[in-house]
Amino acid sequence: DTAVSQTPKYLVTQMGNDKSIKCEQNLGHDTMYWYKQDSKKFLKIMFSYNNKELIINETVPNRFSPKSPDKAHLNLHINSLELGDSAVYFCASSQGFYTDTQYFGPGTRLTVL
Amino acid sequence: AQTVTQSQPEMSVQEAETVTLSCTYDTSENNYYLFWYKQPPSRQMILVIRQEAYKQQNATENRFSVNFQKAAKSFSLKISDSQLGDTAMYFCAFMSSGTYKYIFGTGTRLKVLA
Repeated sequence: DTAVSQTPKYLVTQMGNDKSIKCEQNLGHDTMYWYKQDSKKFLKIMFSYNNKELIINETVPNRFSPKSPDKAHLNLHINSLELGDSAVYFCASSQGFYTDTQYFGPGTRLTVL
Repeated sequence: AQTVTQSQPEMSVQEAETVTLSCTYDTSENNYYLFWYKQPPSRQMILVIRQEAYKQQNATENRFSVNFQKAAKSFSLKISDSQLGDTAMYFCAFMSSGTYKYIFGTGTRLKVLA
């Protein structure tokens, strides 16, 4: 009965590859987010989807593309991976777009070699 | 632009004692929310407590309570009767209804000693 799940938990890949991280929430929430946590633990929002519409698209490289097939899923695709993409990526969801508590997934540790 | 500052990179506390983690923020907005999240070694971000800026009463959640000083833009977290399971990174977060995004502090690593 996991609320927000992500797959995979660990991802090791070579530079230049394309990879995807999947996120699913079973809370019935309308909004989902992707965060990047760097090696210094700093957490920064990347994208937010509200009812399948992109609401925030922070200044991340266009190699990163979120895709939401329905409001329970928000997948993150990364093309042409670079060393600097190594980080932990968190998916989160909340009922409303603002004012509501966000529930985070367990994170995906991406290592680019 | 909003900012969130956690000035204590690391703290430690003896089991069963009380510890306070500090957080300050900067905003020109009047309506916003503040959160404390816990990140244990398992990496998952867990909501600890939340405070609405329009509420004067400090939020409490079991052993966790906050000291919210709106004028001073301060939002500290007090953990009473510390337990070994409280060992984690703690993040303070600010959310504004104007910018529609969350801003996190850099975190405080708390270690509870047996």
